[in-house]
Amino acid sequence: NAGVTQTPKFRILKIGQSMTLQCTQDMNHNYMYWYRQDPGMGLKLIYYSVGAGITDKGEVPNGYNVSRSTTEDFPLRLELAAPSQTSVYFCASSYRLSGVSNQPQHFGDGTRLSIL
Amino acid sequence: GDSVTQMEGPVTLSEEAFLTINCTYTATGYPSLFWYVQYPGEGLQLLLKATKADDKGSNKGFEATYRKETTSFHLEKGSVQVSDSAVYFCALEAAGNKLTFGGGTRVLVKP
Repeated sequence: NAGVTQTPKFRILKIGQSMTLQCTQDMNHNYMYWYRQDPGMGLKLIYYSVGAGITDKGEVPNGYNVSRSTTEDFPLRLELAAPSQTSVYFCASSYRLSGVSNQPQHFGDGTRLSIL
Repeated sequence: GDSVTQMEGPVTLSEEAFLTINCTYTATGYPSLFWYVQYPGEGLQLLLKATKADDKGSNKGFEATYRKETTSFHLEKGSVQVSDSAVYFCALEAAGNKLTFGGGTRVLVKP
């Protein structure tokens, strides 16, 4: 069982460069999420999606974009990398039925990104 | 807005010691509460959860009880092992199916 797979695991970018963090899940989950984790801090929600074609902003969306063209994939795009975006990025997914919650989120292993 | 506060670490213990990590929350309505664990180099894994007041979540010897009157969800384990060394995150889920995390507590268990 692959679960949630993130690529790459590590990346160094120069200021102003762009890149896409990939996330795919094979559990047929409808909800997907992107978080960032700064040193010594908890996770903060960047964007989330409740299904293919639907995305919404989380707590810290500035500087990022997402798309959800399929159920399986939820890529995160950085258009103009800035040092403040140095962080560890986690993708997660979960299955939710309307009116029913409490299904746990499943996390990938993370992408460690440094902007220099 | 919703928030989670947990004790800062690191917490350093000897093997077989008792572990408590405090967690308190602020939320509207009746959130679900979770503890996640993050081992070095890995993503977060759900450790346990509780969905309503007085529920007790338990897994791998860890326990936490949902205390609505004190808005708390403290994590406990009676006898820790070296393999329990990790970062532990308390989290809540209120309306909107989004998790709010505490800052994490690093636990180091020495043999």
